[in-house]
Amino acid sequence: AQKVTQAQTEISVVEKEDVTLDCVYETRDTTYYLFWYKQPPSGELVFLIRRNSFDEQNEISGRYSWNFQKSTSSFNFTITASQVVDSAVYFCALSLIKAAGNKLTFGGGTRVLVKP
Amino acid sequence: NAGVTQTPKFQVLKTGQSMTLQCAQDMNHNSMYWYRQDPGMGLRLIYYSASEGTTDKGEVPNGYNVSRLNKREFSLRLESAAPSQTSVYFCASSDGEVWEPSGNTIYFGEGSWLTVV
Repeated sequence: AQKVTQAQTEISVVEKEDVTLDCVYETRDTTYYLFWYKQPPSGELVFLIRRNSFDEQNEISGRYSWNFQKSTSSFNFTITASQVVDSAVYFCALSLIKAAGNKLTFGGGTRVLVKP
Repeated sequence: NAGVTQTPKFQVLKTGQSMTLQCAQDMNHNSMYWYRQDPGMGLRLIYYSASEGTTDKGEVPNGYNVSRLNKREFSLRLESAAPSQTSVYFCASSDGEVWEPSGNTIYFGEGSWLTVV
């Protein structure tokens, strides 16, 4: 069985500060995907990134960056120069790579509050 | 593109009542899912349908039934609602083509807030 742990339940920062969200996962499979989703106060789940287990290259997208380290089973997410619009709950998730019916295992989420 | 559409968005039920949550996707995805979200627990899988004509139990299936009506639609039914089923329900879909750039990425609807009193 898979498990995803987000140890930080809530993080509060002041605007323009950087914030890093931790994600640690467990799986016995060698091929899997890792995801980050954002859930703003309006409630919908917004897909941010998918990373497969073959690719440990870090990724940057605007103010967002992701650090995937297989050796420590971690897939951390950093928001640089945070903005109030970044206030949301962020979920890390894992799925096995399958032809169909891949099921996501979610972490408990980290609530980020960015204060002006 | 509408993506994944689920209805209703809000519903209040009395204990013992039944209801069906509807979900449709317009992305021609093979796989569809129902998750529930409870505070501090992330999302948990209720049922999924890997392809049209198949359904399987997820992590928390008790008290629910599903129907994959066709490739587009996947409904979730509560036969006799209980207060423990008060939650936010999310429908999702994904394509099964793992070699495609977006393969296996799961896209979610906007959620349905259900309260059972």
